[in-house]
Amino acid sequence: GQNIDQPTEMTATEGAIVQINCTYQTSGFNGLFWYQQHAGEAPTFLSYNVLDGLEEKGRFSSFLSLSKGYSYLLLKELQMKDSASYLCAVLSNMDSNYQLIWGAGTKLIIKP
Amino acid sequence: ETGVTQTPRHLVMGMTNKKSLKCEQHLGHNAMYWYKQSAKKPLELMFVYNFKEQTENNSVPSRFSPECPNSSHLFLHLHTLQPEDSALYLCASSRESLIAGGLSSEQFFGPGTRLTVL
Repeated sequence: GQNIDQPTEMTATEGAIVQINCTYQTSGFNGLFWYQQHAGEAPTFLSYNVLDGLEEKGRFSSFLSLSKGYSYLLLKELQMKDSASYLCAVLSNMDSNYQLIWGAGTKLIIKP
Repeated sequence: ETGVTQTPRHLVMGMTNKKSLKCEQHLGHNAMYWYKQSAKKPLELMFVYNFKEQTENNSVPSRFSPECPNSSHLFLHLHTLQPEDSALYLCASSRESLIAGGLSSEQFFGPGTRLTVL
């Protein structure tokens, strides 16, 4: 079956660094997305990785290891506004039949 | 503001009612999606439209009926729903359809309709 695992909830301190992990088992792989969703709001796009390595975008970075079926989202210099759920999604494919599979999300709580 | 709007934002309906959810995107995108989001569960992709043509129906019960009259508008018609259908229904759009191979296409989500079925 196809599966994505993320921690349900994490807590971190303002100004610190936090790493949110995502592991996946899918049929074929065509990229991994990270989205941020504040409570009561729409998810917004953060990153897309399809090759091994780290992609940095300001305070947020996303890493992908294809061989390990693993990704993480790294948030630096945490701010209170970073309190949100972070959703991992994988675009898989089998015989050119694409599917977008979502994790249940990681709720990140930032404390002063 | 993501460029995707949804109405209504909140809806309470009985199991015998018929209602419709509306989504509109002002981004010139070719693909539109309906998702169901329940608490502590992954987003469930319900329907995908690419250039107004439905390309995905993930075993969604027939009490949910989508309609896409043009690339900018998407509807979800609801009838004889069940209490377990209560959830947040999200609409999204992307420049190209992820399901059709638009691999890196970022999705833009609307704010959702919070549906409660009594």
